[in-house]
Amino acid sequence: DQQVKQNSPSLSVQEGRISILNCDYTNSMFDYFLWYKKYPAEGPTFLISISSIKDKNEDGRFTVFLNKSAKHLSLHIVPSQPGDSAVYFCAASAIGSSNTGKLIFGQGTTLQVKP
Amino acid sequence: DGGITQSPKYLFRKEGQNVTLSCEQNLNHDAMYWYRQDPGQGLRLIYYSQIVNDFQKGDIAEGYSVSREKKESFPLTVTSAQKNPTAFYLCASSIRRGNQPQHFGDGTRLSIL
Repeated sequence: DQQVKQNSPSLSVQEGRISILNCDYTNSMFDYFLWYKKYPAEGPTFLISISSIKDKNEDGRFTVFLNKSAKHLSLHIVPSQPGDSAVYFCAASAIGSSNTGKLIFGQGTTLQVKP
Repeated sequence: DGGITQSPKYLFRKEGQNVTLSCEQNLNHDAMYWYRQDPGQGLRLIYYSQIVNDFQKGDIAEGYSVSREKKESFPLTVTSAQKNPTAFYLCASSIRRGNQPQHFGDGTRLSIL
């Protein structure tokens, strides 16, 4: 049972345009959501997170939106740069697991930003 | 620099052998985690530890074992009981309390000869 889903395996955008990466979840107990970026043969790098008490969090070019009623979150990258080309994972943790930090990851979306 | 160090980066194992993957962190984090990544899949939790001398099974613990004798170290042993060990293994750590992001090492790629 895939509790966190990234339905788009890949996304290609032009440099300078907006990249929108999507993530859906099924567990209504999730209360903390994160986005990670991963280059080949490296570990994931934390990008941005959002708590379920918020619907938006912004950090520079990265903004995460949370729609709890739709169980959907998205990551917006504006403007996109070629260095943003990587695999992006969304992850979530549930109420009660906050003390363990246990995360559930999506399958990842490969973003390609073309110059 | 503070961070998480995984070694070796590449590891080869003969069938029937146990191998141990190293993970060391100098971030003073209480919690540490081991994940496995397979092609086209997300990260799946193998084991995690919230504090020294304590650890819990994750979603795919069969065929693996861990120890947490020191706060800085969380080695993972892939035993011969693990039927499909070829994968990319990632170690992470985090502050234990509250919602905090996990920080990852650069991984170890394990292959079977």
